Amino acid sequence: AQSVTQPDIHITVSEGASLELRCNYSYGATPYLFWYVQSPGQGLQLLLKYFSGDTLVQGIKGFEAEFKRSQSSFNLRKPSVHWSDAAEYFCAVKGSARQLTFGSGTQLTVLP
Amino acid sequence: DAGITQSPRHKVTETGTPVTLRCHQTENHRYMYWYRQDPGHGLRLIHYSYGVKDTDKGEVSDGYSVSRSKTEDFLLTLESATSSQTSVYFCATGGGLDHNEQFFGPGTRLTVL
Repeated sequence: AQSVTQPDIHITVSEGASLELRCNYSYGATPYLFWYVQSPGQGLQLLLKYFSGDTLVQGIKGFEAEFKRSQSSFNLRKPSVHWSDAAEYFCAVKGSARQLTFGSGTQLTVLP
Repeated sequence: DAGITQSPRHKVTETGTPVTLRCHQTENHRYMYWYRQDPGHGLRLIHYSYGVKDTDKGEVSDGYSVSRSKTEDFLLTLESATSSQTSVYFCATGGGLDHNEQFFGPGTRLTVL
């Protein structure tokens, strides 16, 4: 079975500061990994994905994530946060099953 | 992004009534999914479809049924709505490399009184 843990329910950062959101997964092999962002009242938008190859992946809106097999992690990073980045972020894993398994989400607040 | 619409976008209903939510896609994606989103739980899969008339259960399928008679439409039915089914429901389609990417609709907020 596949599972995802996002240990931080809520993170607050100041605008311009760096950001790292944590994601740990459980799966027997290398899964497909995703980060989605959800603004209030909106659907989910794909930020980036990892299927194979280079373990550092670039996404939209200046986000990147690094796959670390030894730590079963896929943390999301951004060097300088903008106020518009305030949203909820979901990590998701896809193993052999057709469906995604989502983490419970991390709510990001950005202070001016 | 995939063209995915959901209807209705908001619905208030009473316990015991049947409810049908519709998902429509214009991308000709083979896979379609229904999730529910509740605080502290992220998104949980209800049912999914891997082709016309081909569906399977997800993690939280009890109390829900689905149908897919056309590639573009995926219906979610609550046969007899309960208050525990108050939630936001998202439809998604599977596309991209080997259908591994999922694209989400805008969601339907359902309140069962």
